[in-house]
Amino acid sequence: KQEVTQIPAALSVPEGENLVLNCSFTDSAIYNLQWFRQDPGKGLTSLLLIQSSQREQTSGRLNASLDKSSGRSTLYIAASQPGDSATYLCAVRRGTNAGKSTFGDGTTLTVKP
Amino acid sequence: SQTIHQWPATLVQPVGSPLSLECTVEGTSNPNLYWYRQAAGRGLQLLFYSVGIGQISSEVPQNLSASRPQDRQFILSSKKLLLSDSGFYLCAWSEGSHTEAFFGQGTRLTVV
Repeated sequence: KQEVTQIPAALSVPEGENLVLNCSFTDSAIYNLQWFRQDPGKGLTSLLLIQSSQREQTSGRLNASLDKSSGRSTLYIAASQPGDSATYLCAVRRGTNAGKSTFGDGTTLTVKP
Repeated sequence: SQTIHQWPATLVQPVGSPLSLECTVEGTSNPNLYWYRQAAGRGLQLLFYSVGIGQISSEVPQNLSASRPQDRQFILSSKKLLLSDSGFYLCAWSEGSHTEAFFGQGTRLTVV
């Protein structure tokens, strides 16, 4: 059974700092990994999708990497801003069975002005 | 462009009452559809998924059921709610098993 772990559970940083969020998974037989952002009481917003054949994806100040063999992914946020404050979730997906996703519990990020 | 609608945003229901949450997707055909539940401060647990009209798969035994009466409509139901059904319910879709998943804004259900 796939298990996804996100460390740390919470992170507080001053504005402008670069930071890394971690996601690890136990079964490396994944098809892709997706990073989401969730604001309090809201749905999930997709940030980046990395296919299993890819090593990284970039969007603006965000960079996600994937090391499938070691079961790890990182989300790098450059020059953090207070508006980046949210919970960040990673989800790994199998290629079969309708692409069901297994989620981590998330990292709650607070960026202080 | 594709959009997903989920309603209501919040719902307070007494124990033993029925439930119907609706999710619709626009701008795509034959999407994979998913219902998730999120406990406070936790990740998401997949409840149901559907790869086509009338095709429903359940991931966990529970007091809930799902239906897909139309291609882009996914409904989460219960005949009699329990206190333990309280939570944040999220609907999601993707074009296939290998593509990006998109989520609705969620329904906060409180059973009292």
